[in-house]
Amino acid sequence: AQTVTQSQPEMSVQEAETVTLSCTYDTSESDYYLFWYKQPPSRQMILVIRQEAYKQQNATENRFSVNFQKAAKSFSLKISDSQLGDAAMYFCAYRTPMDSNYQLIWGAGTKLIIKP
Amino acid sequence: DAGITQSPRHKVTETGTPVTLRCHQTENHRYMYWYRQDPGHGLRLIHYSYGVKDTDKGEVSDGYSVSRSKTEDFLLTLESATSSQTSVYFCAIRPGTSGTYEQYFGPGTRLTVT
Repeated sequence: AQTVTQSQPEMSVQEAETVTLSCTYDTSESDYYLFWYKQPPSRQMILVIRQEAYKQQNATENRFSVNFQKAAKSFSLKISDSQLGDAAMYFCAYRTPMDSNYQLIWGAGTKLIIKP
Repeated sequence: DAGITQSPRHKVTETGTPVTLRCHQTENHRYMYWYRQDPGHGLRLIHYSYGVKDTDKGEVSDGYSVSRSKTEDFLLTLESATSSQTSVYFCAIRPGTSGTYEQYFGPGTRLTVT
């Protein structure tokens, strides 16, 4: 069964600095998709970035980028120039097209604290 | 904004009472999901729907039922609420045109069962 692990329950970073959140996953599939979602105190789940496993190039969205290492089954999120508005829970999620349940598999989340 | 609303946004109910949560979407997406979120568990899938009257169970479906009589509405019912069902409930949709399978979420419903 596929699993997603976020080993850091909480991380903190100084405003304007860079932070990396870790995510590892376990799968026997070769074709899949990975996502990072952000959940601020408003509780809204917001898609931050996505990565297709067949793409070697790491995805980037403005200050957010990923380090996707397929062989190591690692999918970390790097946030550059951290801002106070980045404070949130961050969830890593996995999906394979072969999953007939159509569901995303979720990590337990990492709470990111931004220090002013 | 994926045009997803959930009602109610907050509810307190007593053990043993039935509760229905509503998810409404405005963009005719085929796939809809109900998740619950609890500390330390991320999101867990309760039920999902892949069309009108087409639904199936997720990993934590015991004690829950769903119905989808119209494309835009996906209802989650707790037949007899228990304290273990105190949680935040999220509805999500997957755009049918998305080749990457991401999901978009409603604002959530906080349910407290006393």
